[in-house]
Amino acid sequence: EVQLVESGGGLVQPGGSLRLSCAASGFTFSNYWMHWVRQAPGKGLVWVSRFSTDGSSISYADSVKGRFTISRDNAKNTLYLQMNSLRAEDTAVYYCARAGPDGGLDFWGQGTLVTVSS
Amino acid sequence: SYELTQPPSVSVSPGQTARITCSGDALPKQYAYWYQQKPGQAPVLVIYKDTERPSGIPERFSGSSSGTTVTLTISGVQAEDEADYYCQSADSSGTFYVFGTGTKVTVL
Repeated sequence: EVQLVESGGGLVQPGGSLRLSCAASGFTFSNYWMHWVRQAPGKGLVWVSRFSTDGSSISYADSVKGRFTISRDNAKNTLYLQMNSLRAEDTAVYYCARAGPDGGLDFWGQGTLVTVSS
Repeated sequence: SYELTQPPSVSVSPGQTARITCSGDALPKQYAYWYQQKPGQAPVLVIYKDTERPSGIPERFSGSSSGTTVTLTISGVQAEDEADYYCQSADSSGTFYVFGTGTKVTVL
């Protein structure tokens, strides 16, 4: 069974940092591109970043470029999102998601809540 | 930045047909995907590559594409289909993903 479990969320002050993790199981993690997607309370889905199987293709939404860094450890079956210079508008549930062979995000974690507030 | 536009809401009676549109300039070049999200839950992929349905998704869900607009159709709507629906695609280069603004489907 495919499972994605996010962790690392919490309350952080503006300007602070946080590192999210997404532990994958039930599939060959190294064969799949992975994504982060966020959703502010009561708002819609927003794509954040993606990481190819080997790191040859990485991209970020304009809203996080230069502040967030996506990475993965295929040996540990884990995806990461390092978030720096956090702002109130970064408050959201952060989901990790697997990109299936047809391009859609076919499996999602349950999300981890990040709250940026003083 | 690239945007995908959806109607904010669609209301439909049980057994009727709901149609949700999604418009974007790059849709003729990039596939569209549709997700269903119920309150407090993660999204679920219901349509991929414009018209394909993943295994386990009921046949009443279908997708179509015409020019810069893609459409999710739910035929014979059931109460359990009440949810938010999002389209998703990429910019013309395929580098940046984008989600639509979302549509709340209400079953009357």
